[in-house]
Amino acid sequence: IAGITQAPTSQILAAGRRMTLRCTQDMRHNAMYWYRQDLGLGLRLIHYSNTAGTTGKGEVPDGYSVSRANTDDFPLTLASAVPSQTSVYFCASSDGQINEQFFGPGTRLTVL
Amino acid sequence: KNEVEQSPQNLTAQEGEFITINCSYSVGISALHWLQQHPGGGIVSLFMLSSGKKKHGRLIATINIQEKHSSLHITASHPRDSAVYICAAAPQRSGNQFYFGTGTSLTVIP
Repeated sequence: IAGITQAPTSQILAAGRRMTLRCTQDMRHNAMYWYRQDLGLGLRLIHYSNTAGTTGKGEVPDGYSVSRANTDDFPLTLASAVPSQTSVYFCASSDGQINEQFFGPGTRLTVL
Repeated sequence: KNEVEQSPQNLTAQEGEFITINCSYSVGISALHWLQQHPGGGIVSLFMLSSGKKKHGRLIATINIQEKHSSLHITASHPRDSAVYICAAAPQRSGNQFYFGTGTSLTVIP
């Protein structure tokens, strides 16, 4: 692994289904983030984690949950997907807060 | 109201032209981040700055804290510079929250 990876690359999901988006980084960064990107809007922060074992809510956390069991992994879970969660999701990491962020390739999620 | 405004929204330039993209923000900030999003969707960090100016190759980023304004300049533009350029401001005492602009879509024509 080089940098930060996300899986799956894309997914079509029926409304009401549970879905976990995976994010893994090998840079030993303390901080990790989940964003969603929608047409006409800037990237919006869903959840973040400053260090393993801690998480925090961002601007648009409703309908999403995260966990940070270790430094490398930061999965994002949609407990019961709704069509408004159709978006492109980016995971990012940084070496500390308010530092340069490194982004994963994104997951394109469509909820029908 | 968006705390970060970028201009222009769309920009078309001829190869070789000097390009300027502007970013204005409405709050006091700790740092400002310039990012590039390629047509395929990947996002790459270009600069992180809190004062003055930074240069990397043909890219130059400047920031004026008093005027709450930053610019990204591209000298001798090339078609491979075609991308969306995004600025993100980190408000003071915001923890991990960046406010992102909606991006400037740049197309450089050969």
